[in-house]
Amino acid sequence: EPEVTQTPSHQVTQMGQEVILRCVPISNHLYFYWYRQILGQKVEFLVSFYNNEISEKSEIFDDQFSVERPDGSNFTLKIRSTKLEDSAMYFCASRTTGGGSTDTQYFGPGTRLTVL
Amino acid sequence: SQQGEEDPQALSIQEGENATMNCSYKTSINNLQWYRQNSGRGLVHLILIRSNEREKHSGRLRVTLDTSKKSSSLLITASRAADTASYFCATGLYGNNRLAFGKGNQVVVIP
Repeated sequence: EPEVTQTPSHQVTQMGQEVILRCVPISNHLYFYWYRQILGQKVEFLVSFYNNEISEKSEIFDDQFSVERPDGSNFTLKIRSTKLEDSAMYFCASRTTGGGSTDTQYFGPGTRLTVL
Repeated sequence: SQQGEEDPQALSIQEGENATMNCSYKTSINNLQWYRQNSGRGLVHLILIRSNEREKHSGRLRVTLDTSKKSSSLLITASRAADTASYFCATGLYGNNRLAFGKGNQVVVIP
């Protein structure tokens, strides 16, 4: 069964460093997402991406964050200058259709980011 | 912003018993989805119920949706030790991409 994959599973970085989290969505999916979950807290929406552009972003997704689909399979989240409070599990998700929010979002296993 | 809220927060049951957890939300929704998360792991999609549906079944799972009360319940029948996990509801709005997640229910099934 197709699934969303994410690499690395765990990333440790120093405060102020740039990190890139990678995701390979399910191949025929059209919408891509990033969410994060700070330890012990809710899963929070960061950004959605469709047709090679951001379709929606949350207030968390500030200028330090960016997303890119560099080729036909990968979807990346970049944090330019990491802060301690960026430590969280980051989830990538994808879904099939191009309109509304009617369809299931399939999540990857997550990347645990630890900022020291 | 739209958010789901689960209740109760933690549930401990014996294997074979049923587990019920609830979720409430504040505004109109397009759909509501339930996910499972094993400790420190990814989110596994369990079931999606649309706003025009009242009940849905998938294996040992039964989900209800009451849009007049803005609430949903997830029932796991004949629980197994492998059902031990956190369960989250997430609401999807009309014309909106994002899912809004609740705080999650921790379910422990004792063998």
